[in-house]
Amino acid sequence: AQSVAQPEDQVNVAEGNPLTVKCTYSVSGNPYLFWYVQYPNRGLQFLLKYITGDNLVKGSYGFEAEFNKSQTSFHLKKPSALVSDSALYFCAVRDPWDSSASKIIFGSGTRLSIRP
Amino acid sequence: DTAVSQTPKYLVTQMGNDKSIKCEQNLGHDTMYWYKQDSKKFLKIMFSYNNKELIINETVPNRFSPKSPDKAHLNLHINSLELGDSAVYFCASSQGLTPSSGNTIYFGEGSWLTVV
Repeated sequence: AQSVAQPEDQVNVAEGNPLTVKCTYSVSGNPYLFWYVQYPNRGLQFLLKYITGDNLVKGSYGFEAEFNKSQTSFHLKKPSALVSDSALYFCAVRDPWDSSASKIIFGSGTRLSIRP
Repeated sequence: DTAVSQTPKYLVTQMGNDKSIKCEQNLGHDTMYWYKQDSKKFLKIMFSYNNKELIINETVPNRFSPKSPDKAHLNLHINSLELGDSAVYFCASSQGLTPSSGNTIYFGEGSWLTVV
């Protein structure tokens, strides 16, 4: 069965510094991996995904994530944080060969707080 | 030009009542979902429909009944509401079930249900 873990409930970063939000996964085959962001009182917005190809994926708002198969990780990164990046971030995984093909599992979320 | 829209956004109701949340997507997707986000922000899938056919039905009380009149709509009806049903309910949609489809899920803005 597939699973995804976000080991940090909260990440605090000073504006202008690089940020990393961690995600590890477990699937039986090659995963599809996603990052979403949720602003207060809003729905989840898609940031980026890894399906195949280059391990470094670039997404919206200057975010990127690196797929690392040996470490089963898909950490979200940004070179220079903005206060407006403060939000709740969700990693998600899907095993494309799972019989319940439409099922995407979400991590528990990491709250990112950027201080001015 | 909202992609996934759900109504109402806020709903306060008494225990024992029956309520419905409506969802519509104009993305031309063939798969729709209901997710529940609890007070700790944990996101869990409840139901998934593909072309009006139920394909995922997680362990959800049968007081919850989804209905998909067509592939652009997925409504959620809840009978005999309980205090524990208080949560944010997100409708979502995606295209395709095949492994190569990628399955990016697009979310609505959420419906905040409070049972008193």
